Amino acid sequence: GAGVSQSPSNKVTEKGKDVELRCDPISGHTALYWYRQSLGQGLEFLIYFQGNSAPDKSGLPSDRFSAERTGGSVSTLTIQRTQQEDSAVYLCASSSGTSGGAVGELFFGEGSRLTVL
Amino acid sequence: DAKTTQPPSMDCAEGRAANLPCNHSTISGNEYVYWYRQIHSQGPQYIIHGLKNNETNEMASLIITEDRKSSTLILPHATLRDTAVYYCIVVGWTSGSRLTFGEGTQLTVNP
Repeated sequence: GAGVSQSPSNKVTEKGKDVELRCDPISGHTALYWYRQSLGQGLEFLIYFQGNSAPDKSGLPSDRFSAERTGGSVSTLTIQRTQQEDSAVYLCASSSGTSGGAVGELFFGEGSRLTVL
Repeated sequence: DAKTTQPPSMDCAEGRAANLPCNHSTISGNEYVYWYRQIHSQGPQYIIHGLKNNETNEMASLIITEDRKSSTLILPHATLRDTAVYYCIVVGWTSGSRLTFGEGTQLTVNP
């Protein structure tokens, strides 16, 4: 497809289970971001991948969260031993820009809604 | 990255221009101004960005003051579908930079 694709769109899990969320960025986009948005709250930065550089993991809230990006394309966000406070919409975005203002033109997916019971 | 200040909410009549202000008094020379919006239950949508000059595209116009300490996003003919939270973000693209979303302005377009 032409846009950023995320799966699953909805995930309900039990506390303590592990979950994986997938993001397919727009083809050719070198930058990929993960954000999360709790109900009624703003967007919280989680992690940023840019090309072959080491990812910026400074937004990950705990060591239960990890993300990888294979082959510079698809990314998977993994949450281990989920807690109820992990319930949120997890948003992925990609960007084609490598310099100048185009770096900040992010295209977002529709998100994966995670509910931890 | 420079901090931005936006009003928490604004109202606009359908068909009229919506002018959304943003203060970024600590902006530095290499930092860009970006605007995004988020319609309820959807992912954020890029609108426009600028560095020094005013910019216009099919969605909106961006007016940046000469001293670059503030900017205004203009939706020339607001429609009900423009009701959304609008985010003004300032960022310079040095190593480690990324977009950080603040609270934004809730724009409500009224019929």
